[in-house]
Amino acid sequence: AQTVTQSQPEMSVQEAETVTLSCTYDTSENNYYLFWYKQPPSRQMILVIRQEAYKQQNATENRFSVNFQKAAKSFSLKISDSQLGDTAMYFCAFNSGTSYGKLTFGQGTILTVHP
Amino acid sequence: ETGVTQTPRHLVMGMTNKKSLKCEQHLGHNAMYWYKQSAKKPLELMFVYSLEERVENNSVPSRFSPECPNSSHLFLHLHTLQPEDSALYLCASSQERQSTYEQYFGPGTRLTVT
Repeated sequence: AQTVTQSQPEMSVQEAETVTLSCTYDTSENNYYLFWYKQPPSRQMILVIRQEAYKQQNATENRFSVNFQKAAKSFSLKISDSQLGDTAMYFCAFNSGTSYGKLTFGQGTILTVHP
Repeated sequence: ETGVTQTPRHLVMGMTNKKSLKCEQHLGHNAMYWYKQSAKKPLELMFVYSLEERVENNSVPSRFSPECPNSSHLFLHLHTLQPEDSALYLCASSQERQSTYEQYFGPGTRLTVT
């Protein structure tokens, strides 16, 4: 069974600075998908960024980028130029490429951006 | 309406009540999911429906009963719940065999069992 571990229960960062959230996973699969989801306080969970394991290039979406280390089974999220609206719970998630999109989630990291 | 909607947004029920949570997706997806989110715990996948067939039931107690009448609607019927069932219940949808496998989430129903 796949597992996803987020070892940082809480993180904080000053506005405009950069922060990195960690995620490790365990799988015997070779082809899979990794995601970072954001859940703002009392708001809907939304997808931030995704990475296909067969792609060597790290995914980027504006201020969000990942450092995907397949051999180390590591998938960290870097948020550059942090904004107050980035304050949220962040979940790392794994999909083994099954025919339906079953996700295994990590425990989550609460990120607080301070002004 | 766009995306994934859930009703009600908040629900308080006694342990002897029967209630239902509703989820509707407007994305043309064919897989739907129920998750339970409790404080300080990872999201727990409860049920998965793919093409209106239940494909996964993760040892969920029988007091939770899902129903998927069509690909756009998903229900979670609740009866004789326990206080430890108080949580945020999230619905999600995705497109089967889509290359990206991402899920789209609803806003959740905050359930309190008294």
